[in-house]
Amino acid sequence: DTEVTQTPKHLVMGMTNKKSLKCEQHMGHRAMYWYKQKAKKPPELMFVYSYEKLSINESVPSRFSPECPNSSLLNLHLHALQPEDSALYLCASSRASGLLGGYQPQHFGDGTRLSIL
Amino acid sequence: AQSVTQLGSHVSVSEGALVLLRCNYSSSVPPYLFWYVQYPNQGLQLLLKYTSAATLVKGINGFEAEFKKSETSFHLTKPSAHMSDATEYFCAVTRYGNKLVFGAGTILRVKS
Repeated sequence: DTEVTQTPKHLVMGMTNKKSLKCEQHMGHRAMYWYKQKAKKPPELMFVYSYEKLSINESVPSRFSPECPNSSLLNLHLHALQPEDSALYLCASSRASGLLGGYQPQHFGDGTRLSIL
Repeated sequence: AQSVTQLGSHVSVSEGALVLLRCNYSSSVPPYLFWYVQYPNQGLQLLLKYTSAATLVKGINGFEAEFKKSETSFHLTKPSAHMSDATEYFCAVTRYGNKLVFGAGTILRVKS
């Protein structure tokens, strides 16, 4: 069983809808991530939150709006999406990197498969 | 910028044969390197990681990888392939902080 839980597992929405993807972890991690993965492609980083503050935004269109309400939850709010936004959206979490940098392994959820009609 | 190149988008081996998945990194300084596995309709699972402690890294499910600075490589191996190993594998790199960059992926096929 994955330690990072994503809901819903599948989502179909129209281009005018507003929906949200949710991610939850209870490992005490203070860094959380959103990735987008198109079919037969590797995951691409979208956003990174560290200590509940947005630290990386990979030039993602504003129709994707992340939110980190607390250290265990990460949301991705969707509005006015385009058909090309159909993909698997993966959430991950890790311990935050220390002051000297380094790397902490990321733990991934099983993703939300999003289809835009 | 950090990057990794996975040689071969598809690799096919017979059950019981050696598995070798190739990954070369681009970096002016030794980075942190990882292999992840992704089963259909699932997220990514960390197989193993290189963080400069040892050049030969052992991971889960019998996989291991060797960091070779002279070749800028971090190839993934397993002595004997099992049918359950058939899925997609990603090599990934990071140098600072939390930004992870993935290679294009290699799909492993295991023939019975």
